[in-house]
Amino acid sequence: GAVVSQHPSRVICKSGTSVKIECRSLDFQATTMFWYRQFPKQSLMLMATSNEGSKATYEQGVEKDKFLINHASLTLSTLTVTSAHPEDSSFYICSARDRSGGANEQFFGPGTRLTVL
Amino acid sequence: AQKVTQAQTEISVVEKEDVTLDCVYETRDTTYYLFWYKQPPSGELVFLIRRNSFDEQNEISGRYSWNFQKSTSSFNFTITASQVVDSAVYFCALSDSFSGSARQLTFGSGTQLTVLP
Repeated sequence: GAVVSQHPSRVICKSGTSVKIECRSLDFQATTMFWYRQFPKQSLMLMATSNEGSKATYEQGVEKDKFLINHASLTLSTLTVTSAHPEDSSFYICSARDRSGGANEQFFGPGTRLTVL
Repeated sequence: AQKVTQAQTEISVVEKEDVTLDCVYETRDTTYYLFWYKQPPSGELVFLIRRNSFDEQNEISGRYSWNFQKSTSSFNFTITASQVVDSAVYFCALSDSFSGSARQLTFGSGTQLTVLP
């Protein structure tokens, strides 16, 4: 099956620093990638949809200047949390849609646990 | 708008018992997809099943079975002879044409299943 990786799997940073999370589709090309955030004991909430070569579409309430998304290639999307604060601590999950796959087939990465001190 | 309801927040069963996780959805679309995912404590989402709205056949995969009832807008998930390793959070999700051009997933709030030895 299609594999999506995320790096790093876990990161701890100081308040005010920026953190970059990478999402890669390892064995397929992904024209669309999604970024989700999951707080403890809550569901996944879509943050943004990223299309290769174009600007990301952010969900209501998500600050695009704080959560920078770049999808420069068909296999890589990055999420940068700028000037991170403790309330940004969360589990960030990406997913990718196979360019050639059937409708609605999304493959999820293993997630990145961000802790901001 | 599309919506997925998982009314059961937490369920505890004793090993070898059968357990059913409920999922009720709302959509205006006639073409849509329903999913179930498992999220163990590690956090990585595990894909279990995808069902399109035109396929109402129930499905069985080992100890797992799914009951899709369009008349009641439900897509319930049953685990037979539960095992401790089944302990996880289970999410039901929906994707339809109103989910945006990228057909994003709308997740339910999840059901925490605990299987006691």
